[in-house]
Amino acid sequence: GAVVSQHPSRVICKSGTSVKIECRSLDFQATTMFWYRQFPKKSLMLMATSNEGSKATYEQGVEKDKFLINHASLTLSTLTVTSAHPEDSSFYICSARPVGQFYEQYFGPGTRLTVT
Amino acid sequence: QQQVKQSPQSLIVQKGGISIINCAYENTAFDYFPWYQQFPGKGPALLIAIRPDVSEKKEGRFTISFNKSAKQFSLHIMDSQPGDSATYFCAASSGGYQKVTFGIGTKLQVIP
Repeated sequence: GAVVSQHPSRVICKSGTSVKIECRSLDFQATTMFWYRQFPKKSLMLMATSNEGSKATYEQGVEKDKFLINHASLTLSTLTVTSAHPEDSSFYICSARPVGQFYEQYFGPGTRLTVT
Repeated sequence: QQQVKQSPQSLIVQKGGISIINCAYENTAFDYFPWYQQFPGKGPALLIAIRPDVSEKKEGRFTISFNKSAKQFSLHIMDSQPGDSATYFCAASSGGYQKVTFGIGTKLQVIP
C-alpha cells in the first residue's frame, strides 16, 4: 500500500519551454502533497506544500510563477516548470500524505528533468 | 540553518557489521522522527520512524535509538548487507500535518 507514482520518470526539454510533472497517489487519498527538488548527492529541498482545492504554499526563495503547482483532486498534483532553463535541471520528487495521517508521507520515484 | 544535523556523510561497513548513523536536532517542538532510505535515481522510502515518547524502536534489522534530553537520535542497521548500500536521511517534523525537515544524508556502502 501507499504507492505514489510520478510521470514522466525522465524528461528532456529545450530551454524556454514548459514541462509538467504529475504526481499520483495510487491506493490512497491525499489532502496534502509535497514537492521537493534534489541536486546530485544532496538532501531534499522542499519547494512547496500542496493542499487539495487550495493554493500551494511555497518555501522561501521558490518562484511560484515559475513552478506552478495544481492539486485538483485527492489523488493528483502537478508541477509545471515554466520557461525552463538549464539551471532548472534537477531531480524532482513528490510525496503524499494520506488523509487522516498526521505525520507519514510517501514518496514518488522522482522525475529527472534535463533542460538543454 | 540546518535544523537536523546528520553524520557521518559517508560510511563504509563490512558485510555483517553494524551501521550507525547519528542525527541531532535543536527544535524541541519536533515530535516525529522518520528515517528514509534512497537508492540512486529513486525516491526516498520510509524505513522506520519514532515518536519521542519511546527511547527505542526496532523493525527487523533496523533500530532507532532516541535520546530526548540530548536531542539526538540514531539509526542502527544490524548485520549490514550489500543490499543496504544506499543513502539514508534522518528527518523531523512537528505538530502533525507539518512539513518534514531532512538531514543532509549519509551514503552507506556495505562491502562484502
